[in-house]
Amino acid sequence: QQKVQQSPESLIVPEGGMASLNCTFSDRNSQYFWWYRQHSGEGPKALMSIFSNGDKKEGRFTAHLNKASLYVSLHIKDSQPSDSALYFCAVNYAQGLTFGLGTRVSVFP
Amino acid sequence: EAAVTQSPRNKVTVTGGNVTLSCRQTNSHNYMYWYRQDTGHGLRLIHYSYGAGNLQIGDVPDGYKATRTTQEDFFLLLELASPSQTSLYFCASSGTIYEQYFGPGTRLTVL
Repeated sequence: QQKVQQSPESLIVPEGGMASLNCTFSDRNSQYFWWYRQHSGEGPKALMSIFSNGDKKEGRFTAHLNKASLYVSLHIKDSQPSDSALYFCAVNYAQGLTFGLGTRVSVFP
Repeated sequence: EAAVTQSPRNKVTVTGGNVTLSCRQTNSHNYMYWYRQDTGHGLRLIHYSYGAGNLQIGDVPDGYKATRTTQEDFFLLLELASPSQTSLYFCASSGTIYEQYFGPGTRLTVL
């Protein structure tokens, strides 16, 4: 069964700073990788996907994928208080997506 | 944007009670999912469905039944609720098996 591990568990970032989130997965056949974000009191929402090795940038968010190293990351540039949330890495498997336990990001002014 | 609604938003029941959680999506998605979210365990898949009348077992199905009555409606049933089922439950839908749209969640407390 696919295993997805995230680090760190929590992250405190100053406003305007960079947040870096890490994710490793176990199945070398995985093809599709997502980052989801969950604000307090809400359901998770897809933030961005990455399917090919390398970097993908969407605004202040950059995802990086290295399938050979079983590694995916998310970097948040110029962090804002509204970025404070729980971030999940999700990786495809037969039944859909396996989610990591999440990284809680707190951005302080 | 895809819309998924859940009801009730909060539910308190007693041990042994019957509970039905409802989910509706209005985007004609084929796939629907039920997850539970618990601190230290993340999001865990309970049951899912490919379409009306179809049911598939997820990773943590014990103590739960599900029914997909229409393309839009997916229900999660707890027939003999136990305190271990106290959790935050999310329904999600997807047009493919990858990008999932989540509802706002139902917080269930079993006393």
